[in-house]
Amino acid sequence: SQQGEEDPQALSIQEGENATMNCSYKTSINNLQWYRQNSGRGLVHLILIRSNEREKHSGRLRVTLDTSKKSSSLLITASRAADTASYFCATDLSNTGKLIFGQGTTLQVKP
Amino acid sequence: NAGVTQTPKFRVLKTGQSMTLLCAQDMNHEYMYWYRQDPGMGLRLIHYSVGEGTTAKGEVPDGYNVSRLKKQNFLLGLESAAPSQTSVYFCASTRDRATEAFFGQGTRLTVV
Repeated sequence: SQQGEEDPQALSIQEGENATMNCSYKTSINNLQWYRQNSGRGLVHLILIRSNEREKHSGRLRVTLDTSKKSSSLLITASRAADTASYFCATDLSNTGKLIFGQGTTLQVKP
Repeated sequence: NAGVTQTPKFRVLKTGQSMTLLCAQDMNHEYMYWYRQDPGMGLRLIHYSVGEGTTAKGEVPDGYNVSRLKKQNFLLGLESAAPSQTSVYFCASTRDRATEAFFGQGTRLTVV
């Protein structure tokens, strides 16, 4: 089974609302990253949070990391129709070099 | 600065045929990865490399081989294609272990 499990699998909200996505993982990590994928395109890096950090912000994005629960959340505030995409968490497994992705959350923001 | 370039972008193979997917990066990155993406499965790691001349197995390595003879190139080979290998393949690279990944635009492979 995959290292990262994301919840929910799909999310539909109205423009202006906040969107929250969660990611859980199984083994110890160096860092956790979030990526965005527009339909049919490659993934684009959004934010990286290290294992010794608890919260990080980037524009309208807020990421939290709870290593005791092995979980992370991505909050997108004041969503826009252009935020419609799939969002993936990725974990950099300690001492392996592997970068493992979750199954993703598909976000639809309705105008 | 092209970033990560994948060749080809589309390909249709017959069962049993072989092919090689090429990934090239011009950022002098140490780490390179090959993933496949199937509907509802997210990205699954096939093989990866932590430096020139090294390769390692990922989550789903069976049926694939890789080589990293030059630092900038990471090749993914299918020796005998099967319909189960129909997928979108993504290559990615990172400067080192704990940094952001840069992705290519993907290769859509169909095996009939």
